Amino acid sequence: DQQVKQNSPSLSVQEGRISILNCDYTNSMFDYFLWYKKYPAEGPTFLISISSIKDKNEDGRFTVFLNKSAKHLSLHIVPSQPGDSAVYFCAASVHNTNAGKSTFGDGTTLTVKP
Amino acid sequence: NAGVTQTPKFRVLKTGQSMTLLCAQDMNHEYMYWYRQDPGMGLRLIHYSVGEGTTAKGEVPDGYNVSRLKKQNFLLGLESAAPSQTSVYFCASSSRVNQPQHFGDGTRLSIL
Repeated sequence: DQQVKQNSPSLSVQEGRISILNCDYTNSMFDYFLWYKKYPAEGPTFLISISSIKDKNEDGRFTVFLNKSAKHLSLHIVPSQPGDSAVYFCAASVHNTNAGKSTFGDGTTLTVKP
Repeated sequence: NAGVTQTPKFRVLKTGQSMTLLCAQDMNHEYMYWYRQDPGMGLRLIHYSVGEGTTAKGEVPDGYNVSRLKKQNFLLGLESAAPSQTSVYFCASSSRVNQPQHFGDGTRLSIL
């Protein structure tokens, strides 16, 4: 049973518009969520995170929203830039347990068209 | 500051051969992880370590062994490689729980 799901394998948006990437989880114990960005032939790099005590976290053009009742989080990128084209992974973990182990979704490939 | 370094970057093995993948981090991180990523899938945890001399099984540990003899190094071994182990392997480290993980650039392993 996949505990973290990214149901959209790909997303294409125009430069300057908003990109919205979605992630659903099933384990109600998850209370810390992260987004990673991955370019081809490179390792994932951390983008932004959110704790379950918050419903929003913002860092520049990137905002993550968390809806605990729906077990859903989303990453908003505004405005989108061609350099944002990458694979985005959602990850979830249980705070202060499990040695910081994260469960990853399968990723969403974002393409930002100039 | 190199961060997390994985060697080798590419390797082709024959079924039944053995090899060791090396991960080195220079950030003095306690926690280290080995993942595999298959096409169209996310990262699956193979083994992890919470400190020097410790190791533990992750989600998909079968066919792999690990060692953490030094804090900065985490080795992943394949004793008898199988085609199902063809994958991209990523190593990561973090300073403590619920801190973002820092990843290496991966090792692309093909087993024929």
